[in-house]
Amino acid sequence: DAGITQSPRHKVTETGTPVTLRCHQTENHRYMYWYRQDPGHGLRLIHYSYGVKDTDKGEVSDGYSVSRSKTEDFLLTLESATSSQTSVYFCAISEQQGYGYTFGSGTRLTVV
Amino acid sequence: DAKTTQPNSMESNEEEPVHLPCNHSTISGTDYIHWYRQLPSQGPEYVIHGLTSNVNNRMASLAIAEDRKSSTLILHRATLRDAAVYYCILRSGNEKLTFGTGTRLTIIP
Repeated sequence: DAGITQSPRHKVTETGTPVTLRCHQTENHRYMYWYRQDPGHGLRLIHYSYGVKDTDKGEVSDGYSVSRSKTEDFLLTLESATSSQTSVYFCAISEQQGYGYTFGSGTRLTVV
Repeated sequence: DAKTTQPNSMESNEEEPVHLPCNHSTISGTDYIHWYRQLPSQGPEYVIHGLTSNVNNRMASLAIAEDRKSSTLILHRATLRDAAVYYCILRSGNEKLTFGTGTRLTIIP
């Protein structure tokens, strides 16, 4: 979607390897989010950020870490990928409370 | 976090209005009501949001009950492109969106 891009779009990796997904925005929005989507679970929040270097955990944060060293980039890292982390990952941005979110197109990650 | 309840699925005829209900009986005073939709193989798309008053935009209308325990998303004239999963979500004061399972809307030509 315009203003937010995710990379890579698809990735296959092996169990135990580290993986980093990138979310990049050009909107200068304060809030950024990482969600995962799995069949039967809908979208679940992993981590979010409310400013540079300010992050917090979501409901499914175990096995994931994030970093935000500048406004436009929010990185999601799987330190040691497991098969249970096979999923579609969505990044979202938001200007402030009460405003709508804009979602990226997603990253399909397969851990074999 | 406050939760929402939506029907699993609904059907509507093309070019007719669609009313998608959502119950959120545990909503708090500062929770915004958001609606998103998701087409297959795409990320969710923002539709509309509101706090207390009814809201209109180019995509839809949002009718919020006076006690805020329920709301209805109204698509005034459904098209085939409106077939998607629609999520009713409460945005809490700590900025998180919590998604439910949504309503799968099927449009019948």
